[in-house]
Amino acid sequence: GQQVMQIPQYQHVQEGEDFTTYCNSSTTLSNIQWYKQRPGGHPVFLIQLVKSGEVKKQKRLTFQFGEAKKNSSLHITATQTTDVGTYFCAAYAGNNRKLIWGLGTSLAVNP
Amino acid sequence: EAGVAQSPRYKIIEKRQSVAFWCNPISGHATLYWYQQILGQGPKLLIQFQNNGVVDDSQLPKDRFSAERLKGVDSTLKIQPAKLEDSAVYLCASSPTPKYNVHPYFGPGTRLTVT
Repeated sequence: GQQVMQIPQYQHVQEGEDFTTYCNSSTTLSNIQWYKQRPGGHPVFLIQLVKSGEVKKQKRLTFQFGEAKKNSSLHITATQTTDVGTYFCAAYAGNNRKLIWGLGTSLAVNP
Repeated sequence: EAGVAQSPRYKIIEKRQSVAFWCNPISGHATLYWYQQILGQGPKLLIQFQNNGVVDDSQLPKDRFSAERLKGVDSTLKIQPAKLEDSAVYLCASSPTPKYNVHPYFGPGTRLTVT
């Protein structure tokens, strides 16, 4: 079945450093969604990308969707301790009714 | 608008006991999901309802798990009997439709510990 692979699994950075997580699929995706889950919390929707090559920004977060719609990235500029959590990508499978989740990238930020 | 409500928030039971979780989705949301999230992993879809019908329950361990969504609103998820490996957070989520351009809204989850 369709899978989305996410790397790295863990990332530990110093506050102020940049962070990037990548999401890859062997098949073309209809769209890609990104979520953030704080420790002890639940996943919270961040953004959805639909178009080939799309780039969206939310303050220090930049989201990209690859030209072939098979990969995506989330980049955080100048991390802060509030960025701590696990970032998940998710995409809808073939008939667009089932959301397939990556395993997530856990981000730790040293103050 | 009010979010997805879940209860209880925490539950500790012994193996072989039964447990039930309750979810009230966002008003008007036709699609309801139950996810299981084991510590350190991503959410795993257990069952997806569209109104009161089941869309996907392919990953629901049907020998011990059951779920219902009577009247297409509230939902309950039951585990009987529980096993140690059922220890996880059970997340309920809802969305307006199952189309690809929407996303699920998650509740706070129920943290289950099976001892």
